Amino acid sequence: AQSVTQLGSHVSVSEGALVLLRCNYSSSVPPYLFWYVQYPNQGLQLLLKYTSAATLVKGINGFEAEFKKSETSFHLTKPSAHMSDAAEYFCAVSGSGTGNQFYFGTGTSLTVIP
Amino acid sequence: GAVVSQHPSRVICKSGTSVKIECRSLDFQATTMFWYRQFPKKSLMLMATSNEGSKATYEQGVEKDKFLINHASLTLSTLTVTSAHPEDSSFYICSARDRLQGNQPQHFGDGTRLSIL
Repeated sequence: AQSVTQLGSHVSVSEGALVLLRCNYSSSVPPYLFWYVQYPNQGLQLLLKYTSAATLVKGINGFEAEFKKSETSFHLTKPSAHMSDAAEYFCAVSGSGTGNQFYFGTGTSLTVIP
Repeated sequence: GAVVSQHPSRVICKSGTSVKIECRSLDFQATTMFWYRQFPKKSLMLMATSNEGSKATYEQGVEKDKFLINHASLTLSTLTVTSAHPEDSSFYICSARDRLQGNQPQHFGDGTRLSIL
């Protein structure tokens, strides 16, 4: 069984401050982990992915995440928040097969305060 | 990069109407596509897994006769909401995974906003 938990449904940061969005996973098989961003009335855009290669993964828009097996975590960070980062962020876990479904977290809404 | 096209982006129709939503993978083949439903301020709820050439696999609690899924080719899956009612109003999103890339993520369409009057 697989699942993810996103701690904090709402996160507010000041522009220029560090962004930290938390994701913990549970998986009975080696997981693939993903972070997606969703802007209002749009689909999901992939930020980054972990697929058993490097544990520190760099994505688009300056985001990165680190896979920590000992902590079963895959937290998303960005050193300096920008106003355009305000959006909904989803963490997801899946197995490695092409037919494996994704399990999404409940999402974290990021607000950036000018 | 991989692109999934979802059409239409928005539908407004009367109660009792059936609505078809298309999901196409534009530059890759997808043996499997997924259909999600998203309520306001909520996460994505997987409705069904669409398998090319075979019946879709529905999640528990999703009415297969209400939400008809057809996956006739490796690049097209359709979701038909039959006899839609106001409670079916929602944001529906499809996704697809490249059948040749086992370690690649799902690629999402831009969603369809369905409003039933």
